Amino acid sequence: EPEVTQTPSHQVTQMGQEVILRCVPISNHLYFYWYRQILGQKVEFLVSFYNNEISEKSEIFDDQFSVERPDGSNFTLKIRSTKLEDSAMYFCASSGTGPDTQYFGPGTRLTVL
Amino acid sequence: SQKIEQNSEALNIQEGKTATLTCNYTNYSPAYLQWYRQDPGRGPVFLLLIRENEKEKRKERLKVTFDTTLKQSLFHITASQPADSATYLCALDPLMDTGRRALTFGSGTRLQVQP
Repeated sequence: EPEVTQTPSHQVTQMGQEVILRCVPISNHLYFYWYRQILGQKVEFLVSFYNNEISEKSEIFDDQFSVERPDGSNFTLKIRSTKLEDSAMYFCASSGTGPDTQYFGPGTRLTVL
Repeated sequence: SQKIEQNSEALNIQEGKTATLTCNYTNYSPAYLQWYRQDPGRGPVFLLLIRENEKEKRKERLKVTFDTTLKQSLFHITASQPADSATYLCALDPLMDTGRRALTFGSGTRLQVQP
């Protein structure tokens, strides 16, 4: 069964450093998403991406964040200058067309020291 | 502002019983409501989606109801098994248009099925 994959599974970085989280969505999907989950808290929407542009973003997704689909398979989330409060699990999700559900990847645990 | 509440942080039941989880929401009119399962340290796994014009949806031992008047969804697991132990999340799906599907998640209910 097709699945969303994410790398790395765990990323440790120093505050102020840039990180790039990578995702490979399900191959025939057209809509891509990033969510995050701070330990013990809810899963929160960050951004959705369709047709090579952001279609929606939350208040969390400020100028420090960016997304890109550099080729036909990868979808990345970049955090330019990480803060301690960026420590969380980051989930990538993808969906097909129409009223389709979103399929989530296993997540990347980001730890900012 | 939108608010989603899942009935309790934790629910303990005996194997073989039916687990019933509740999701209530306010200040929102979702087009769909989805239920996910999340195991510790893992991503949410989709279980069921129910549309606003549907009252009930079933899949094997799972059943979801959706009452848009009460603004409530109930999620049932019948003949529960220890392997059903996990956190169950409800998520409101606006389906504003096909490109805008920001899911709003509840905080989840942790289900523990005792053998």
